[in-house]
Amino acid sequence: QITLKESGPTLVKPTQTLTLTCTFSGFSLTTSGTGVAWIRQPPGKALEWLALIYWNDWQRYSPSLKNRLTITKDTSKNQVVLTMTNMDPVDTATYYCARRYDYREIFDYWGLGTLVTVSS
Amino acid sequence: QSVLTQPPSVSAAPGQKVTISCSGSTSNVGNNHVSWYQQFPGTAPRLLIYDSYSRPSGIPDRFSGSKSGTSATLDITGLQTGDEADYYCGVWDSSVSAGVFGGGTRLTVL
Repeated sequence: QITLKESGPTLVKPTQTLTLTCTFSGFSLTTSGTGVAWIRQPPGKALEWLALIYWNDWQRYSPSLKNRLTITKDTSKNQVVLTMTNMDPVDTATYYCARRYDYREIFDYWGLGTLVTVSS
Repeated sequence: QSVLTQPPSVSAAPGQKVTISCSGSTSNVGNNHVSWYQQFPGTAPRLLIYDSYSRPSGIPDRFSGSKSGTSATLDITGLQTGDEADYYCGVWDSSVSAGVFGGGTRLTVL
């Protein structure tokens, strides 16, 4: 059974750095073709693709947020970590992690999401 | 403003068919396979269609996908009230080497 779960702060202040952790089970990020992505959704708005990391450490970022994002993995802990610097109220959103399947833009398993509010 | 254009809303009566479009460009829909996701309020998205045409196991064949040129389409036949949800298309954009989602379409079953 494949599961993913996001964890991190629910409230951050403007200008702070957000660190989110995706802890997964049922698959390994050492397996060829396996990736984990972060996707967010502001309240009442659309999904937004943020970042992706693959089993071989290949990383990709949203062009509009590239300067603020870092994605890393810890295969021994089955975790993927996303950091986002210089948080702003417009970054208030539910943040999801999802498994990307087989080198294709297919997110077959998703976490439940975690709501992050940016406010002073 | 999303790279992929979807109608904000569609509606139809129970039992009818609805079509949701996803319009992109040669760098995304035109040269890569599209996925579709269904999202109920307060829940995570669920994969509905992948590789533009294929359904994961457990997805009813009332849901079907297609693609032509730089546009993709999700068809839902035999509409049920339980299909009321938001639907998103997603695809890889080769010009920026990143994924993109459409703006989402809210389906109302009248």
